[in-house]
Amino acid sequence: RKEVEQDPGPFNVPEGATVAFNCTYSNSASQSFFWYRQDCRKEPKLLMSVYSSGNEDGRFTAQLNRASQYISLLIRDSKLSDSATYLCVVKGLYSSASKIIFGSGTRLSIRP
Amino acid sequence: EAQVTQNPRYLITVTGKKLTVTCSQNMNHEYMSWYRQDPGLGLRQIYYSMNVEVTDKGDVPEGYKVSRKEKRNFPLILESPSPNQTSLYFCASRGLAGSETQYFGPGTRLLVL
Repeated sequence: RKEVEQDPGPFNVPEGATVAFNCTYSNSASQSFFWYRQDCRKEPKLLMSVYSSGNEDGRFTAQLNRASQYISLLIRDSKLSDSATYLCVVKGLYSSASKIIFGSGTRLSIRP
Repeated sequence: EAQVTQNPRYLITVTGKKLTVTCSQNMNHEYMSWYRQDPGLGLRQIYYSMNVEVTDKGDVPEGYKVSRKEKRNFPLILESPSPNQTSLYFCASRGLAGSETQYFGPGTRLLVL
């Protein structure tokens, strides 16, 4: 079983729709969680951190469910520019040096 | 401008011909790492470095070497490249003083024939 698993998609949704995808992680000791965005053939960039109480950044909402060991990303009022691959990232213990594990990504395509 | 640079961006080579991919960051970050990205496998860590002269293996270190003689540079060396090392490579850096954000270089696309 992979340490971090994501549905690869693609999710193909119309502009303006709401879309959500999840990411599950296997290590219950994981402490930090993030969503990165990667455009085609470009480097990943941090989209947002995921906090225990859930957090929102504009049209994006991230949630963490420790009991079920998953994090989610919700995108409201999706734009064409949201088309990208979204990477779930999980970090281990409370240590700056602890391992960062990337999911293989969920591909999102927004159609006009 | 804070950035991570990699060179070359694209490289086609032949099996067995030694190559080096350079990585440099201007953010004074202690932590640097190399990843390879392959379809369906996501980003896998090759090597990482906590500081100058401190390096360690990641998940897929076989066939690669690194060095960290200066804080800003972290070159990736393929002594004898093989076709299974054809991939997209990313260098990344982050600070250790509480900063979680990893900054990635633009990537190096390598084809080994």
